Amino acid sequence: AQSVTQLDSQVPVFEEAPVELRCNYSSSVSVYLFWYVQYPNQGLQLLLKYLSGSTLVKGINGFEAEFNKSQTSFHLRKPSVHISDTAEYFCAVTHNTNAGKSTFGDGTTLTVKP
Amino acid sequence: EAGVAQSPRYKIIEKRQSVAFWCNPISGHATLYWYQQILGQGPKLLIQFQNNGVVDDSQLPKDRFSAERLKGVDSTLKIQPAKLEDSAVYLCASSLGVAGNYGYTFGSGTRLTVV
Repeated sequence: AQSVTQLDSQVPVFEEAPVELRCNYSSSVSVYLFWYVQYPNQGLQLLLKYLSGSTLVKGINGFEAEFNKSQTSFHLRKPSVHISDTAEYFCAVTHNTNAGKSTFGDGTTLTVKP
Repeated sequence: EAGVAQSPRYKIIEKRQSVAFWCNPISGHATLYWYQQILGQGPKLLIQFQNNGVVDDSQLPKDRFSAERLKGVDSTLKIQPAKLEDSAVYLCASSLGVAGNYGYTFGSGTRLTVV
C-alpha cells in the first residue's frame, strides 16, 4: 500500500518570498509522484510530475520539485511567490504497477500575503 | 481541447434522498476516476473505470453508491440513499493511459450538501 503525508496543513508567506511545501510518501515499490494545485471552487490541476530520470522537475507557474529517494520525499518549491499562488496544493503518489490509481495527501493551504 | 465536464456544480438534498452526478471525460481518455473529497482532506478514490469496465471499486460503499460507464465515455455516479457524511465534493478525473504516468485531468467537481 502507498501513503502520502503532507507535513504542513497551512503555510503563510509574504509575496516574493520563497516557499517550500513538504511531502513524504511511503511505498515498497517504485512510484510516480505528482503535485496538483486547487484554486477555490475548482478541480485539481496538474503542476508537475516525477516519473524517472532527473530528480529535479520543473512545472507550471515557476514551481519545481525534487525527488529524494533515500528520504522518500518530493518537496515543492518556488523561489518567489505571488498573490495568485494562494491555493491548496496536493501531493499524490501512484504505484507504477497499480493501474494508475493515485493516493493523495490531505493538502497544504498556501496563503500569500501582500 | 475541452476539459472534463461535470454536472451539476452544486446539489443540496435531504438525507435518505437520492442524487446522481454526471461526468464527461476528455475525448480519447480511456481511464475515468471518481474521487470523494471531504472538506479538509485529500481526494479519496471511489471507483476507477477503464473504457466501460471497472478496474477498482474496492473503496465504493456499494450498499448506497453505484457508478456506471456504459459506452466507455461518460459516467454517472449515484448515491441512494444519501447520508449526512456523504457531504463532500465529488471529483471526476480522466487519464490518457492506465499506467499512471500521465497524471489526471480533473473536472470542477460537484459539491454535495446533505441536510
